[in-house]
Amino acid sequence: DAGVIQSPRHEVTEMGQEVTLRCKLISGHNSLFWYRQTMMRGLELLIYFNNNVPIDDSGMPEDRFSAKMPNASFSTLKIQPSEPRDSAVYFCASRLHGATSGELFFGEGSRLTVL
Amino acid sequence: GENVGLHLPTLSVQEGDNSIINCAYSNSASDYFIWYKQESGKGPQFIIDIRSNMDKRQGQRVTVLLNKTVKHLSLQIAATQPGDSAVYFCAENMGGSEKLVFGKGTKLTVNP
Repeated sequence: DAGVIQSPRHEVTEMGQEVTLRCKLISGHNSLFWYRQTMMRGLELLIYFNNNVPIDDSGMPEDRFSAKMPNASFSTLKIQPSEPRDSAVYFCASRLHGATSGELFFGEGSRLTVL
Repeated sequence: GENVGLHLPTLSVQEGDNSIINCAYSNSASDYFIWYKQESGKGPQFIIDIRSNMDKRQGQRVTVLLNKTVKHLSLQIAATQPGDSAVYFCAENMGGSEKLVFGKGTKLTVNP
């Protein structure tokens, strides 16, 4: 079975440009989490959804960041405008809401560099 | 990978030795804990979990110990292999929420 699929794997952009990161959930999963990873701050939860509904977005840094789930199997994380401090690896992870195990299944990440 | 950096605690062991990775968690109300392994350039991968009503759980070559009195979690890896080299994260689930909060990670290097 395919795991969580993220794209692009790498993106280099210039400050001020819009960045869109994409994530496809594992089939049958209905909870989606976006994390950001940096050397200084480690893995930080940005936002998570259950059944396409955002439940907690308290980790979203500021209004430049937005996340959506246009359908049950797909999510986007958008940064507009991007800044150099947004450079990080962005992971999405999915799970089955209400499952006994709290295991999150992570994608391979999208490495963003903002110049 | 992005997570590997100069500021991570590190543990270096010889192949075949046992490894113990420690983690202090923050919230006494957390009721579920998970250990993840992250190899360079990849996403975190689940290893083993434990609920707060347990103090020990064993998997294949791995054991997790939970000490709620001092809010301490450890991961023991038996007969460590070069393929175990990675960064290991503990994560806690705050009671009543689905949020998983991750620790800073420990870099394990296994020398052949």
